[in-house]
Amino acid sequence: DQQVKQNSPSLSVQEGRISILNCDYTNSMFDYFLWYKKYPAEGPTFLISISSIKDKNEDGRFTVFLNKSAKHLSLHIVPSQPGDSAVYFCAASPGGTYKYIFGTGTRLKVLA
Amino acid sequence: EAGVAQSPRYKIIEKRQSVAFWCNPISGHATLYWYQQILGQGPKLLIQFQNNGVVDDSQLPKDRFSAERLKGVDSTLKIQPAKLEDSAVYLCASRLLLGQGTGANVLTFGAGSRLTVL
Repeated sequence: DQQVKQNSPSLSVQEGRISILNCDYTNSMFDYFLWYKKYPAEGPTFLISISSIKDKNEDGRFTVFLNKSAKHLSLHIVPSQPGDSAVYFCAASPGGTYKYIFGTGTRLKVLA
Repeated sequence: EAGVAQSPRYKIIEKRQSVAFWCNPISGHATLYWYQQILGQGPKLLIQFQNNGVVDDSQLPKDRFSAERLKGVDSTLKIQPAKLEDSAVYLCASRLLLGQGTGANVLTFGAGSRLTVL
C-alpha cells in the first residue's frame, strides 16, 4: 500500500526552465510534507517543507504547492540549474507523529 | 554542527551472515530513525526511537532485524541472518524533539550504509 506516490520516475528539463515534480498521497491524516534531494552515495538532504495549513511555501528557487482536496503536492524549481540534477523524494507525516513516509522518487536531469 | 554519522559506509556479506550498522545522531536530537532504501525505491521506515524508547517498529522484520539505542544517543541496527533481499542502503536520520518552526519537523540524514548480500 503506497501511501505516497511519485508517478514520474524521471524528468528532463533544459537549464533555465521550470522543473515541476509531483507527488500524490492517499492518507487524509497527513499534515506535514517535506521534499528531499538525493545525490548518489549521499544521504537525502532537506529542501523545503509545507504544513497542511498552508497551500504554498517558497524558498529561493524552490516553491512547494499543496492541494489538500486533491491530495497532491508539487515542487517547482525556477530556474532549473544543472546542479539540481538529483533524485527528489517527497515525504509525508500524519498528525504530529513525525513518522515520515517517503515516495519512490523522481530523477531530475537538468540539461545544460 | 556535526551531521549524522554512520558506519560502515559499505559492507559485503554472504547470506546467513550477520551485520551491524552504527549511527551517531546530531547532538541534542532526541528522535532517531532507521530507514531501508532498496535500489529504485524510496526510503522505508524500519524503526523510530524517541530518546531510548521505541516509538514505532511496525515495519521492522523482527525475526532477523534488531535495533537499540541504549543511552538515548547512538544506535545500532543488526541483521542476523541476512537474506539476499536485505541488500539496500540503510539510512539513519535524527530530528529535534522540541522547538518551533521548520527545524523541529525536519529529518537530517546520514550518508547511509550500503549493504550487499551475496
